[in-house]
Amino acid sequence: GNSVTQMEGPVTLSEEAFLTINCTYTATGYPSLFWYVQYPGEGLQLLLKATKADDKGSNKGFEATYRKETTSFHLEKGSVQVSDSAVYFCALSDPSGYSTLTFGKGTMLLVSP
Amino acid sequence: EAGVAQSPRYKIIEKRQSVAFWCNPISGHATLYWYQQILGQGPKLLIQFQNNGVVDDSQLPKDRFSAERLKGVDSTLKIQPAKLEDSAVYLCASSRRTGGSYEQYFGPGTRLTVT
Repeated sequence: GNSVTQMEGPVTLSEEAFLTINCTYTATGYPSLFWYVQYPGEGLQLLLKATKADDKGSNKGFEATYRKETTSFHLEKGSVQVSDSAVYFCALSDPSGYSTLTFGKGTMLLVSP
Repeated sequence: EAGVAQSPRYKIIEKRQSVAFWCNPISGHATLYWYQQILGQGPKLLIQFQNNGVVDDSQLPKDRFSAERLKGVDSTLKIQPAKLEDSAVYLCASSRRTGGSYEQYFGPGTRLTVT
């Protein structure tokens, strides 16, 4: 079956540091890949997505590249801010049927001033 | 455009009691999802509707959980009777087909505590 593995958190960084959150996946076929962000007390928000190999998704300074050869979709940001503190979820969408999402366990990011 | 609405936001019940959650999806979104998010884990799909028909309920504990989507719009999720392990955040999401994929939009969730 489909699965997503994320690096365990929390990831603790100082403001302006470089961020990488690793995500690898197992899937049949060619899934779409997503990063969602969950701020405290809120629902999930789509951060970025990529629908095919070598696509790069980007939003709000975050980037992730769909690497089919390594089955990875690592999230990166060059300079994090305190406001980026949240839980980040990597997910894949089954290309068959109605595109059910399979999520990783989430990685908490804590950014200090 | 209004987002996905859910109510209540918080609920505390005793085990063996029943509880119901309500979701109003984004207007025009044919697909509606209910997820269970246990603390420290990613959301797990419970049930997925396309209009008012169920397309996936393989992970719904049908002995205690039920869901319906009347007229293909609002949806309710019910738990009866509740167990301690049902304590979680219940997320509703909706989507429509955009290009080649379904992009899901999530509501704020209902945090359930079973004591």
